[in-house]
Amino acid sequence: ILNVEQSPQSLHVQEGDSTNFTCSFPSSNFYALHWYRWETAKSPEALFVMTLNGDEKKKGRISATLNTKEGYSYLYIKGSQPEDSATYLCAPLDGNQFYFGTGTSLTVIP
Amino acid sequence: EAQVTQNPRYLITVTGKKLTVTCSQNMNHEYMSWYRQDPGLGLRQIYYSMNVEVTDKGDVPEGYKVSRKEKRNFPLILESPSPNQTSLYFCASSLRRGSYNSPLHFGNGTRLTVT
Repeated sequence: ILNVEQSPQSLHVQEGDSTNFTCSFPSSNFYALHWYRWETAKSPEALFVMTLNGDEKKKGRISATLNTKEGYSYLYIKGSQPEDSATYLCAPLDGNQFYFGTGTSLTVIP
Repeated sequence: EAQVTQNPRYLITVTGKKLTVTCSQNMNHEYMSWYRQDPGLGLRQIYYSMNVEVTDKGDVPEGYKVSRKEKRNFPLILESPSPNQTSLYFCASSLRRGSYNSPLHFGNGTRLTVT
């Protein structure tokens, strides 16, 4: 079992603020890392699939970086909007299994 | 429309009564998996399948069975459900394990209550 830690557990920000959260994982046997966005009453949806050390991915106002050597990934949201309110999950792939963190719950206050 | 279809969405049953949660994907994905979500815990993998007739245990397989006779279907079977299996279940699929552009596609979830 892989120990995946996400911080902070929850976050409240004002509309327009930029924010970031962290995913930490053991760096051995790394294969890939996924980020998912999970809105209440819906299913998780993929944001990024990251595989290489130093990877940086961007989708609109959301971006992510990956450091496999030290075992962490950052997710950034620039200029948060109320529709960004969701739980953000990271999931390293170790062997054939994904190990999900408990997520960071983001609430953007209008 | 490309999707993962899970049924039923909600299920209330009694201890010991066998049940099956179905999962079907129409994207020709090789990899399929089942997860359960419990309060305060991350999604935990129950079983996964790399391809037809290939299944493996995840972290919490006790009390569950799966089969992968066809590429598109991956049912989750609870032979004798118990109250500790009350949870939110997700089926997910991806083109293949871990390749560059293979995110997981999730079904809508099944909320199971075992009394």
